[in-house]
Amino acid sequence: GAGVSQSPRYKVAKRGQDVALRCDPISGHVSLFWYQQALGQGPEFLTYFQNEAQLDKSGLPSDRFFAERPEGSVSTLKIQRTQQEDSAVYLCAIGDHGQNTEAFFGQGTRLTVV
Amino acid sequence: AQSVSQHNHHVILSEAASLELGCNYSYGGTVNLFWYVQYPGQHLQLLLKYFSGDPLVKGIKGFEAEFIKSKFSFNLRKPSVQWSDTAEYFCAVITSGTYKYIFGTGTRLKVLA
Repeated sequence: GAGVSQSPRYKVAKRGQDVALRCDPISGHVSLFWYQQALGQGPEFLTYFQNEAQLDKSGLPSDRFFAERPEGSVSTLKIQRTQQEDSAVYLCAIGDHGQNTEAFFGQGTRLTVV
Repeated sequence: AQSVSQHNHHVILSEAASLELGCNYSYGGTVNLFWYVQYPGQHLQLLLKYFSGDPLVKGIKGFEAEFIKSKFSFNLRKPSVQWSDTAEYFCAVITSGTYKYIFGTGTRLKVLA
């Protein structure tokens, strides 16, 4: 994606395993979002950062999900004790602060829990 | 809760056919509207956006969309599709005072050469 690098691209985890997904914005952007895209669905909002501050985590599906962006650049989405229903593509998006802007998406990490 | 509906889940067209993909949203206030495209194996890319002004918006690759406020719609159109338009198309909304996208479920378009 333009300005957003996500790693790994693919991750297979055994049920119960912890995983960490990384989002690395190539250039500095104030806003950073995580979305979850299940098979056959549109992306759904997980959480939002403005610089290092996590302003909204209302979309995180359970307390097994945790995101951080400690220096206002790279962000990590961690999922503890993965379950099969966590299988999805996790998308990171960046944008400028403000109402009338658009977001730029990374290629995503496809997580498969077996 | 706000939602976005894309009624066409799969569309198959021949090259040069005209395209219209429907998008309706449920929210009574001010909205920003977007169409994103995802080509096979690639990331979501912005096709076009509407913030304010002329409700007929032109985007990249010959796509356009019309915002009809009274119908809560933002349909995507292209007069003549190409094989390279084969992709998945997502409509999305940001409601006033918020920053997060609400996406539709997407429409898979296949264009036959």
